[in-house]
Amino acid sequence: AQTVTQSQPEMSVQEAETVTLSCTYDTSESNYYLFWYKQPPSRQMILVIRQEAYKQQNATENRFSVNFQKAAKSFSLKISDSQLGDTAMYFCAFMNPSRSGYALNFGKGTSLLVTP
Amino acid sequence: DGGITQSPKYLFRKEGQNVTLSCEQNLNHDAMYWYRQDPGQGLRLIYYSQIVNDFQKGDIAEGYSVSREKKESFPLTVTSAQKNPTAFYLCASSIAGAAFEKLFFGSGTQLSVL
Repeated sequence: AQTVTQSQPEMSVQEAETVTLSCTYDTSESNYYLFWYKQPPSRQMILVIRQEAYKQQNATENRFSVNFQKAAKSFSLKISDSQLGDTAMYFCAFMNPSRSGYALNFGKGTSLLVTP
Repeated sequence: DGGITQSPKYLFRKEGQNVTLSCEQNLNHDAMYWYRQDPGQGLRLIYYSQIVNDFQKGDIAEGYSVSREKKESFPLTVTSAQKNPTAFYLCASSIAGAAFEKLFFGSGTQLSVL
């Protein structure tokens, strides 16, 4: 079974600073996909960024970027120029196309607080 | 606008009662999913369906049942066998077989026990 581990239950960062959220996963598969989702206090799930495992280049979406280390099975999220609206739960998720109908397997989340 | 609608937003269950959570989508997605969210536990997969009239158990299916009679609808029943039903329930959908496509989530149902 695949597992996703987020080792930081809570983090805090000041506005305009940079923060990195860690995520590791365990799999024996070579073909898989990784995602970061954000859940603000509204509880709506929002896709932040995604990465295909066969692509070596790290994905970037505006202020959000990932550090994908396939050999280490690590998929960290970097948020640059943090904004108050980035305050949310962040979930790392793994998907193996050959399992569970393309369902995502989520980590337990990291609660990020951005302070003024 | 296309999207996923979950209802009700809040639901209360009495002891021994079955309750049904509604999930409807107008995105023409084949795949639909139910997740349970507990504080500090992330999201855990209850059931999923890739096509009408077919569904599969996820990691925590015990005490739950689903049906998929229409493409647009994937209701979840929390049965009396589920002894700890208090949680936030999220429904999601996606294009079937599209590994890199994002999940579309509903706004969730908070279920509590009276």
